[in-house]
Amino acid sequence: DIQMTQSPSSLSASVGDRVTITCRASQSIGSYVNWYQQRPGRAPNLLIHSASTLETGVPSRFSGSGSGTDFTLTVSSLQPEDFATYYCQQSFSPPITFGQGTRLEI
Amino acid sequence: QVQLVQSGAEVKKPGASVKVSCKTSGNIFSNSGINWVRQAPGQGLEWMGWISGYNGNTNYAQRLQGRVTMTTDTTTTTAYMELRNLRSDDTAVYYCARGYCSRTSCSYDLDPWGQGTLVTVSS
Repeated sequence: DIQMTQSPSSLSASVGDRVTITCRASQSIGSYVNWYQQRPGRAPNLLIHSASTLETGVPSRFSGSGSGTDFTLTVSSLQPEDFATYYCQQSFSPPITFGQGTRLEI
Repeated sequence: QVQLVQSGAEVKKPGASVKVSCKTSGNIFSNSGINWVRQAPGQGLEWMGWISGYNGNTNYAQRLQGRVTMTTDTTTTTAYMELRNLRSDDTAVYYCARGYCSRTSCSYDLDPWGQGTLVTVSS
């Protein structure tokens, strides 16, 4: 199975800050990485697919980059609604695996 | 608009079975794979497996092999996930999520997701 190692596990930040979350795959997976946002009590929501493509309706302050084994999610200027948990996921081959999650908090 | 609507919360005793449903709308069933993902309280996301809405092919996570069965009803465009021989560590919110399928391949970009079904296993 492909392991996805995500860091940090939690992150304290303020409105307006720029933050970066990283995810490392245990083998090369091209650009087959997705990023999800999950708010408390809600289902995850797909933000970015194929490492860097924003889903329709996702604010442009979110961006993704990387290929091979190393990937990043960046939020350029945090807004109050961005405080949530973020997960990376490899879509290269089943079994699909997720990172452990990054809890972004004030 | 594509939507996935799941069945309601369940409480089960250890050793019992649970069957969760996921009703799809938006005429997507034949070009979809329905993935099942669970999340234990305060924990991360665990992929359980996938079923094709087109032909019923399945792919289960190895650690659940033998306990999980995923099925579809094409007449009602509903997917089902049955988990047997429940244990306390199966207590989780269970989600269905769609992946798009073309004629030749399916993606695992999961969107949208159902609202989740809480399954509690307790004696």
